[in-house]
Amino acid sequence: AQTVTQSQPEMSVQEAETVTLSCTYDTSESDYYLFWYKQPPSRQMILVIRQEAYKQQNATENRFSVNFQKAAKSFSLKISDSQLGDAAMYFCAYRSAFQGGSEKLVFGKGTKLTVNP
Amino acid sequence: DTGVSQDPRHKITKRGQNVTFRCDPISEHNRLYWYRQTLGQGPEFLTYFQNEAQLEKSRLLSDRFSAERPKGSFSTLEIQRTEQGDSAMYLCASSLGLLNEQFFGPGTRLTVL
Repeated sequence: AQTVTQSQPEMSVQEAETVTLSCTYDTSESDYYLFWYKQPPSRQMILVIRQEAYKQQNATENRFSVNFQKAAKSFSLKISDSQLGDAAMYFCAYRSAFQGGSEKLVFGKGTKLTVNP
Repeated sequence: DTGVSQDPRHKITKRGQNVTFRCDPISEHNRLYWYRQTLGQGPEFLTYFQNEAQLEKSRLLSDRFSAERPKGSFSTLEIQRTEQGDSAMYLCASSLGLLNEQFFGPGTRLTVL
């Protein structure tokens, strides 16, 4: 079974600075997707960024980028120029890409990010 | 708005009662997922549908839980004989296909007294 581990229950960053959230995962599959989801307080979860395991290039979405290390099974999220609106719970998630396999997302426990003005 | 909607947003019930939640996916999304999220944890998968077919169920889904998606549109999740351990946020998500993003609804927060 796949597992996702987020070792930082809480992180804080000063506005306009950069923060990196860590995620490791365990799988025996070779093809999969990795995601970072953001869950603001009392609001619904939204996708921040996604990475296909077969792509060597790290995904980037505006101020959000990932460092995907397949051999190390590591998938960290870097938030540059942090904004107050970035404050939220961040969840790392895994999904198999195997056709006919499970479509479920497997989530880590989350990291609560606080942005200080 | 064409996002995923869930009803009710909050439900308080007494132990032993039955509860039913509804999820309306984004129009034309053929896949619908249910997750449960307890305090301090990430969401855990419960079950998912492709159109009206229930294709996967988690071992978390005990016999007291049942989900349906008649006609491949909205879905209901029923919990019979609720227990205090069922208190959680129940999240619904939908997607257009296997390779597409899962869009989440706001969730239904269940409190069992």
